[in-house]
Amino acid sequence: AQSVTQLGSHVSVSEGALVLLRCNYSSSVPPYLFWYVQYPNQGLQLLLKYTSAATLVKGINGFEAEFKKSETSFHLTKPSAHMSDAAEYFCAVRGNTGGFKTIFGAGTRLFVKA
Amino acid sequence: KAGVTQTPRYLIKTRGQQVTLSCSPISGHRSVSWYQQTPGQGLQFLFEYFSETQRNKGNFPGRFSGRQFSNSRSEMNVSTLELGDSALYLCASSPAGEETQYFGPGTRLLVL
Repeated sequence: AQSVTQLGSHVSVSEGALVLLRCNYSSSVPPYLFWYVQYPNQGLQLLLKYTSAATLVKGINGFEAEFKKSETSFHLTKPSAHMSDAAEYFCAVRGNTGGFKTIFGAGTRLFVKA
Repeated sequence: KAGVTQTPRYLIKTRGQQVTLSCSPISGHRSVSWYQQTPGQGLQFLFEYFSETQRNKGNFPGRFSGRQFSNSRSEMNVSTLELGDSALYLCASSPAGEETQYFGPGTRLLVL
């Protein structure tokens, strides 16, 4: 069965500091991996996705993530946090195990301090 | 292209009532999925439809049902509402053969 674990329900960084949001997945087959961002009272917006083309994936708003198969990780990073990055971030895995469905992590709320 | 639209955006119902939520996917997208988001359970998969057929279903009781029409628009229905059904219901669409899902703004349902 597929699963996603996001380490840290809350992460706080200072503006301009590195953002690191952790995600580990469990999947018996090579998965599709995603990071989504959710702002208050809105739906989910796709930040980036991994589909086996390249292990380092660049997304929108300066975010990127690296797929590490040996560590079953897909951590999200951004070199310099901006106040507008404050939101909730979800890591997700989608595969064909048990039918096509997307499994989401519990989410990490990012706080950015001025 | 217009994004995924969901109607209504907000809804208040009482226990025992039923509710129907609507989702219009991005033009050309044939797959529609539904998710329930609550503070306690997070994002949980409800079901997925592709070309009017339910392709997959999550672990929800039979009170939750859905359907998809020939124009790919989808509805989900919840009968005999319970307080615990209060949640944000998100719809997502994707084109055939692509794994990326594009989400709508959601319908926030409050059951009193």
